[in-house]
Amino acid sequence: DVKVTQSSRYLVKRTGEKVFLECVQDMDHENMFWYRQDPGLGLRLIYFSYDVKMKEKGDIPEGYSVSREKKERFSLILESASTNQTSMYLCASSLWETGLNTEAFFGQGTRLTVV
Amino acid sequence: AQSVSQHNHHVILSEAASLELGCNYSYGGTVNLFWYVQYPGQHLQLLLKYFSGDPLVKGIKGFEAEFIKSKFSFNLRKPSVQWSDTAEYFCAVTCNAGNNRKLIWGLGTSLAVNP
Repeated sequence: DVKVTQSSRYLVKRTGEKVFLECVQDMDHENMFWYRQDPGLGLRLIYFSYDVKMKEKGDIPEGYSVSREKKERFSLILESASTNQTSMYLCASSLWETGLNTEAFFGQGTRLTVV
Repeated sequence: AQSVSQHNHHVILSEAASLELGCNYSYGGTVNLFWYVQYPGQHLQLLLKYFSGDPLVKGIKGFEAEFIKSKFSFNLRKPSVQWSDTAEYFCAVTCNAGNNRKLIWGLGTSLAVNP
């Protein structure tokens, strides 16, 4: 079974802090994604990566950055946390197979509260 | 831009009722289609997927979906729901063009099944 593991289930941080969310997958997937999930807004893509050291902006990248130094690990960084970044953060990975996307596998999510 | 529309935001059913959740997408080319489910407190998981072949696909827990290319639709169905089907359901599409790796998500449908 594919496993996508997020380092924390719950986090509480103060405004202005630098926050790191870590995600590790164990299936050698090329693609990794960070989403935030808010009620009524569905899943919104923050950043994704399709290779080590490669990253692309998603729909809402402002206030976030990412790092992918190893294929299995994809980190989301909130440079200076703000209250409007309070949300559920979801990491996912997927295989890129002969030019087609296969299904995405999700981690358990990190519920981040910024106070 | 590609988009996915889920017609029902909230659905309330009694046990044994039939379920149909609508999903339409806007993209004229080849697509891969997915339905995901998120049970309360759990991570997103794949219900079923369509890549090619028989447009009627069967997934886990008695769910099925039909891809109607002419209608750009991929509706989810279950003949008889159970209380345990209470969850949020997301339709997602990936457009197979070039190096596109992103999933496009609907906003989700919250299903409550009353015992």
